[in-house]
Amino acid sequence: AQSVTQPDIHITVSEGASLELRCNYSYGATPYLFWYVQSPGQGLQLLLKYFSGDTLVQGIKGFEAEFKRSQSSFNLRKPSVHWSDAAEYFCAVVLNQAGTALIFGKGTTLSVSS
Amino acid sequence: DGGITQSPKYLFRKEGQNVTLSCEQNLNHDAMYWYRQDPGQGLRLIYYSQIVNDFQKGDIAEGYSVSREKKESFPLTVTSAQKNPTAFYLCASSIYTGGYGYTFGSGTRLTVV
Repeated sequence: AQSVTQPDIHITVSEGASLELRCNYSYGATPYLFWYVQSPGQGLQLLLKYFSGDTLVQGIKGFEAEFKRSQSSFNLRKPSVHWSDAAEYFCAVVLNQAGTALIFGKGTTLSVSS
Repeated sequence: DGGITQSPKYLFRKEGQNVTLSCEQNLNHDAMYWYRQDPGQGLRLIYYSQIVNDFQKGDIAEGYSVSREKKESFPLTVTSAQKNPTAFYLCASSIYTGGYGYTFGSGTRLTVV
């Protein structure tokens, strides 16, 4: 079955430290890949997306993600975390074909310690 | 500015009552979606619609119904058959299904009292 896995439910990082959030997908073909961020009680904000081409994509707020086809992964990274990055992060995928919808992982909650 | 409007932001329902959540978009998008969010569960797809007068069930459609009479509107009804309706509901739209460029609303928090 098609699925998106975020192995880490909760991560705590010190302010200024680097961050990596993991995402793996299980699909027959390479889907479009997204990372979203959500603050409590709010909607979703798109951080970045990958469709094709360069496997390292840059997003907003200093985030980047790397697509690795061999590992079916799309991990999100940030070199230096700020306290305002504390939020919930969702990886999502969609196949490039009609009749499909965006499917989400269960999310990773990021806490930032001072 | 174009976007998606969900209303109300907070909604309270008595057990056994149906309730309808509104979702309106002015982006001229053909596709619209409803997701349910519960803590630790991520966002799960309830229903989606590719075009007017057409919609498909998602992973958790039981206890929900939708309509798509206008391109701009995709209301979700939470029926009394939904045994655990308390959740955060997000509406989204995209130019077409299977593509990219999703826009999300700000959500409706439904609480059963």
